[in-house]
Amino acid sequence: QVQLQESGPGLVKPSETLSLTCTVSGGSISNYYWSWIRQPPGKGLEWVGSVYSSGTTNYNPSLKGRVTMSVDTSKNQFSLRLSSVTAADTAVYHCVRSSGYFLYWGQGSLVTVSS
Amino acid sequence: EIVLTQSPGTLSLSPGERGTLSCRASQSVSGNYLAWYQQKPGQAPRLLIYGASSRATGIPDRFSGSGSGTDFTLTISRLEPEDFAVYYCQQYGTSPWTFGQGTKVEIK
Repeated sequence: QVQLQESGPGLVKPSETLSLTCTVSGGSISNYYWSWIRQPPGKGLEWVGSVYSSGTTNYNPSLKGRVTMSVDTSKNQFSLRLSSVTAADTAVYHCVRSSGYFLYWGQGSLVTVSS
Repeated sequence: EIVLTQSPGTLSLSPGERGTLSCRASQSVSGNYLAWYQQKPGQAPRLLIYGASSRATGIPDRFSGSGSGTDFTLTISRLEPEDFAVYYCQQYGTSPWTFGQGTKVEIK
């Protein structure tokens, strides 16, 4: 059974960069798409972006070029960086294995943007 | 981007009743690549349906999906106590992938 676990700071200051890592266990990171999906407290779901195991990326244009995703196949991990954060970026961030639809989800990591 | 509008916002039903949830797209969903998820408080969403009508592994057959083009439906034939949750639709036919705003199914 594939399992995903997010890790990273729970608090980020405004204008700084949010960084999260997802560790995949129970299966290889190779030959799959991996995504980040976020959910502000009490609100709905938003797709942030996806990265293929080769490093090819696809980002949500709504995030206006602030997103960078990468893969480290040697560690079976993938990462998210979101720059110039504001309070609007406060959310639970889930890492997910994707096939267009989203089958395997991490439990989520709450990231709060506040000074 | 494709906007998904779910209705109703809240559905109040009793256990054993039938639930019908709607998801309407602002333009046709390519390949009918439409998925449904269930989310309970404090948990990650769980995939129920993909490809508009295919049940994910382990999903009970009381959950069914239908529709094509711009109109899709999730039907729960007989609500069990564990089915009271928020349900989201998601399209993955055209990037950016988008979600509906959710339908909350609550106990009447």
